[in-house]
Amino acid sequence: DTGVSQDPRHKITKRGQNVTFRCDPISEHNRLYWYRQTLGQGPEFLTYFQNEAQLEKSRLLSDRFSAERPKGSFSTLEIQRTEQGDSAMYLCASSPGALLGEQYFGPGTRLTVT
Amino acid sequence: TQLLEQSPQFLSIQEGENLTVYCNSSSVFSSLQWYRQEPGEGPVLLVTVVTGGEVKKLKRLTFQFGDARKDSSLHITAAQPGDTGLYLCAGGTMNRDDKIIFGKGTRLHILP
Repeated sequence: DTGVSQDPRHKITKRGQNVTFRCDPISEHNRLYWYRQTLGQGPEFLTYFQNEAQLEKSRLLSDRFSAERPKGSFSTLEIQRTEQGDSAMYLCASSPGALLGEQYFGPGTRLTVT
Repeated sequence: TQLLEQSPQFLSIQEGENLTVYCNSSSVFSSLQWYRQEPGEGPVLLVTVVTGGEVKKLKRLTFQFGDARKDSSLHITAAQPGDTGLYLCAGGTMNRDDKIIFGKGTRLHILP
């Protein structure tokens, strides 16, 4: 299966700790997106990359959040000094980019901050 | 601010019934997607519509894009328990930021 993969699937951390999530997109897709989803809500856009360039960041992405896609392949999302409000599902999606919005999602990383 | 409003928020019906859920906005979208999401998983792309008035069918699911490309509907015929899930619509615009926005979804439960 060559779909989008995310690691880890679940992460429990204590408040104040740093966490890093990884996303491996579909190999030929040049766009990669990060979203956050809380219970009862749709995914909220965080940021996206075209190849290795980070083109857009949401205002939701505070200074504690940083994302990278160093070689235009996999991406990492780091949250520093986690807070309980960061508890959510973090979703990664990739897109071939030809048609805006046609995205293929990974299974997500469920973060719980205690 | 662009918003996509989905209705109803929740829908619970008996197996075999028909249903329609809606996705509305005051903004024009260059394309609109429908996804289905199951608990603990990422959304799965069902369809993309691009042209105003476009209708696409996927087995028992019929998707329509409004003529003005501001709204869309999803109709399910003879619903089955396997249709249970969260249905999300998402819209993209060809602005500089190329951002995609999601609605909050319709949570559908089909009773056997």
